[in-house]
Amino acid sequence: GIQVEQSPPDLILQEGANSTLRCNFSDSVNNLQWFHQNPWGQLINLFYIPSGTKQNGRLSATTVATERYSLLYISSSQTTDSGVYFCAVGGGAQKLVFGQGTRLTINP
Amino acid sequence: NAGVTQTPKFRILKIGQSMTLQCTQDMNHNYMYWYRQDPGMGLKLIYYSVGAGITDKGEVPNGYNVSRSTTEDFPLRLELAAPSQTSVYFCASSPNSGRAGQFFGPGTRLTVL
Repeated sequence: GIQVEQSPPDLILQEGANSTLRCNFSDSVNNLQWFHQNPWGQLINLFYIPSGTKQNGRLSATTVATERYSLLYISSSQTTDSGVYFCAVGGGAQKLVFGQGTRLTINP
Repeated sequence: NAGVTQTPKFRILKIGQSMTLQCTQDMNHNYMYWYRQDPGMGLKLIYYSVGAGITDKGEVPNGYNVSRSTTEDFPLRLELAAPSQTSVYFCASSPNSGRAGQFFGPGTRLTVL
């Protein structure tokens, strides 16, 4: 099956810093999503991005499908950005395989 | 739209008990999914459905059953609960257009003692 690797596993930053999270996957996919899991456990959709680049405020994402990776950029981090960021990729029937996540801690 | 709703939010079961986790979506999505998330891990797919009357196994289906009699509802049944089923369970749905991704419910935190 598809393998998904996220890096780094943990990231600790000061408020205002920028960060880049990476997701590598092992096979062709037709679905890739980035999620933020907040400290209360809620999964929040960030991007649906099987290819190309998207931006939403301070967050942006790029997927290079031919090279099997995706990047999530967070600029001017805020403490509310803390939590775990998951990359999930999928093939048939839109089934998703999740990576292990990157735990981001933003200190004031 | 309420999106994807799950009940209950929390539940404690004794070993050997059974229960049903409820999931409902009001977005008229054909595809629905159940995932479990163990502590410190990503989510793993338990079962999924591509439409009413059609279900299939995911990566970790043992100990669970599902049914899909309507587009809106996709209940997950645990028979003979075991401590290994202690987890957070997420339900999700997606349109079959394949261009919008999956939308997740708030989760059910289940503890089996």
